[in-house]
Amino acid sequence: EVQLVESGGGLVQPGGSLRLSCVASGFTFSDYPMTWVRQAPGKGLEWVSAISGSGDTTRYGDSVRGRFTISRDNSKNTLYLQMNSLRVDDTAVYYCAKDWKCDPWGQGTLVTVSS
Amino acid sequence: QSVLTQPPSASGTPGQRVTISCSGRSSNIGSNTVNWYQQLPGTAPKLLVYSNSQRPSGVPDRFSGSKSGTSASLAISGLQSEDEADYYCAVWDDSLNGGVFGGGTKLTVL
Repeated sequence: EVQLVESGGGLVQPGGSLRLSCVASGFTFSDYPMTWVRQAPGKGLEWVSAISGSGDTTRYGDSVRGRFTISRDNSKNTLYLQMNSLRVDDTAVYYCAKDWKCDPWGQGTLVTVSS
Repeated sequence: QSVLTQPPSASGTPGQRVTISCSGRSSNIGSNTVNWYQQLPGTAPKLLVYSNSQRPSGVPDRFSGSKSGTSASLAISGLQSEDEADYYCAVWDDSLNGGVFGGGTKLTVL
């Protein structure tokens, strides 16, 4: 069974940094691209970033490009999202998902940016 | 404002058929395949339809997807109370070089 478990969320001040992790199991991690999607409280889904299976291709949404960095460690079956220069409007539940088509999703980790 | 346009709400009675639309443009729906997700209250989203009309294993055939030009639709037949959820369309956008989601449609079963 495919499992994705996110961690690393929490409360951070505006301008601060946070690194999210997503540990994958149940499939050959390096064979699949991975995606981050976020959902602000009471709002819809927003595509954040994606990375190829090898890690050599990355893509970012306009609202996070230049501030967030996606990466992966295939030896550890782990996906990362380094978030810098955080803003109040980055407050959201962050989900990792397998493949470009996002199937399945993890349970999410909450990031709160507030002073 | 989402790149993909969905109606904010839809409703139907048990047993009815409802459709949810998703409107985009040539750089996204017009060029790439559409996925649909269901998000039940308080849970993570789940893939419902991929590649316009394909269902993952375990998804009932009451759910069906279609695409024409720069628009896509999700149809739910034999509506059930457990179908009450938020539904999102998503697609790759060649101009943005990234994925985009619709704003979501809240389905109410009356």
